[in-house]
Order: sequence, then C-alpha cells, then structure tokens
Amino acid sequence: SSELTQDPAVSVALGQTVRITCQGDSLRSYYASWYQQKPGQAPVLVIYGKNNRPSGIPDRFSGSSSGNTASLTITGAQAEDEADYYCNSRDSSGNPLWVFGGGTKLTVL
Amino acid sequence: QVQLQESGPGLVKPSETLSLTCAVSGYSISSGYYWGWIRQPPGKGLEWIGSIYHSGSTYYNPSLKSRVTISVDTSKNQFSLKLSSVTAADTAVYYCARLTVTSPYSDGFDYWGQGTLVTVSS
Repeated sequence: SSELTQDPAVSVALGQTVRITCQGDSLRSYYASWYQQKPGQAPVLVIYGKNNRPSGIPDRFSGSSSGNTASLTITGAQAEDEADYYCNSRDSSGNPLWVFGGGTKLTVL
Repeated sequence: QVQLQESGPGLVKPSETLSLTCAVSGYSISSGYYWGWIRQPPGKGLEWIGSIYHSGSTYYNPSLKSRVTISVDTSKNQFSLKLSSVTAADTAVYYCARLTVTSPYSDGFDYWGQGTLVTVSS
C-alpha cells in the first residue's frame, strides 16, 4: 500500500506564485498526476508525467518532482485557480494500483 | 470527444449492493486504456476504488477489494461497478474516468464523468 500526503490548505496573493506539494514513497518511482476540482464539479487533470499539460490547461501550471516529493506550481495565480488540488500516483508495490493525496484547498487572496 | 456518463440508483439500503454503470461515447473501450471508478464522500477527498483494463483485467483498492467488482461490456461500450454490503460510509459521489498510461512511470485520469451521488440509507 502507499500514502500521499498534502498540506490541507495553501493561500496565494493574486498574481503571485504558489507551490503545492505531495509526499509519498511511491513518488520515488512514479510521477504524480495533479487534478483541479472546483465546487460541484468533477476533477480536471492539469499535470501528468514529468511535466505535461493536457490540451486547454494554461501554461502557468507546471509540475516537478524530487525524491519523494512532487510539486504543482502555479506561476501568476488567477482568481479562477481557487480550487481543491489532488495528487495521484501509482502504489509503490509495483502493482497497478492507484492512490490519491488528501487534497489541498488553494485560496487566492 | 470522449465522454463518460454514470448512471444508477441514487439511494441504496444498508447491506445491499450498489450498482453503477458508466457509458462511454467517442471512444471504443475495447480499443485500449484502463477505465476506473473513483469516489468522494461529501466534503472529503478522492478515493480510487478500482480499474479495469480493456482486456478485462481488474485492479482494486485493497481496502475495498473484498466488496468490489468491476466489469466491462464491450458490446454496449460501458463498464460497471458493484459494491456489496454497503454502509453509510459508502455514501459518496461516484465518478467514472479513463486512465491514460503514457509510460511505465506516468499516467493520468484524463476524462471524467460528471459524477453521481449515491446515498446509503434505509
């Protein structure tokens, strides 16, 4: 089994840069994917792999990884970026099992 | 454009079996990819329930494995979730999603259904 740990809440001033982190042993072997979820809506994939953005995701979103920590960075945060963010990765067992982090509530001030 | 749509009862009695179906349009399930179920209890985070490969191989969250069955019906281009012996703790919004594996070390749930709320109550 595996766990992914996220800070429950983070805030950022409008236009500034914020980093949301995700820690877990599995991240030493697998990249995290990141999801944005706004109230009442389904999650949306914003970053996957080393640093890949699906079509339609603004380039202010970027991803990185070091050791057991994956990070989602928003450069120049906008009001519409206020949302919950979840990381996801494979289980460190090597089996095709997946786990989500507990989520980070991002507030844009 | 790939689209997923969950359907099923919104209310299930305790100890009974929750059954949901995810209809896929814009892509043939039999052509590839993993297809999965994720749930979110009210006010809480996301929980991966399980996934099925287009070939029919299944993978389940160890914490739910004894109660979960995921199956695929390629003739109807849909896949299904069954969760047995439900309790109030299983009350959640249930999402179906497509998982794209881009490398042995990288993947992502790139298409999601809108989600359906299932309440467990007598």
